[in-house]
Amino acid sequence: GENVEQHPSTLSVQEGDSAVIKCTYSDSASNYFPWYKQELGKRPQLIIDIRSNVGEKKDQRIAVTLNKTAKHFSLHITETQPEDSAVYFCAASIQAAGNKLTFGGGTRVLVKP
Amino acid sequence: ETGVTQTPRHLVMGMTNKKSLKCEQHLGHNAMYWYKQSAKKPLELMFVYNFKEQTENNSVPSRFSPECPNSSHLFLHLHTLQPEDSALYLCASSQIGTGDNEQFFGPGTRLTVL
Repeated sequence: GENVEQHPSTLSVQEGDSAVIKCTYSDSASNYFPWYKQELGKRPQLIIDIRSNVGEKKDQRIAVTLNKTAKHFSLHITETQPEDSAVYFCAASIQAAGNKLTFGGGTRVLVKP
Repeated sequence: ETGVTQTPRHLVMGMTNKKSLKCEQHLGHNAMYWYKQSAKKPLELMFVYNFKEQTENNSVPSRFSPECPNSSHLFLHLHTLQPEDSALYLCASSQIGTGDNEQFFGPGTRLTVL
């Protein structure tokens, strides 16, 4: 089955700096890669996703890149703000196979004011 | 209520107890999921229901028994649990067949097994 590795497990950045989280996946058939943000004590929420037919997607201060050949994808947060502090999870799935998401281990991001 | 709701929000039970977790989605979705979130592990998919039919059982011990009476409700029946089953149990829902894969999560039930 699919295996998703996520790094780093913790990330501390100064407010205004950029944060980058990287994930690798094992199943070359995976074609859907969402990112979820979970604030302390709250539920995970989708912040951005990318499908394998594109290499990059951007939404305001967040962007995701995908390298299918290398089987890795990354989340980039620019101009970080204290409200970006949370745990971020990447995931992978085969869209045509339905809806089974395999999650990475999570990255705890702390943005220091 | 909107979105995905879960009850109870907190549950403490002994190893010999029987309890049930409830999830309800108000989004008109046709798929529902149970996840386990432990401190040291990633979100682990436990069960998937599509159109009320179970399509995934991710090698979950039989002391966890899911039930999906309709596309809006999902239960997780618990019996003779172990302390290592203590975790946050998250329910989620999504709409399959439309190309929109987003899963919407509930707030979770924090389970402690004594």
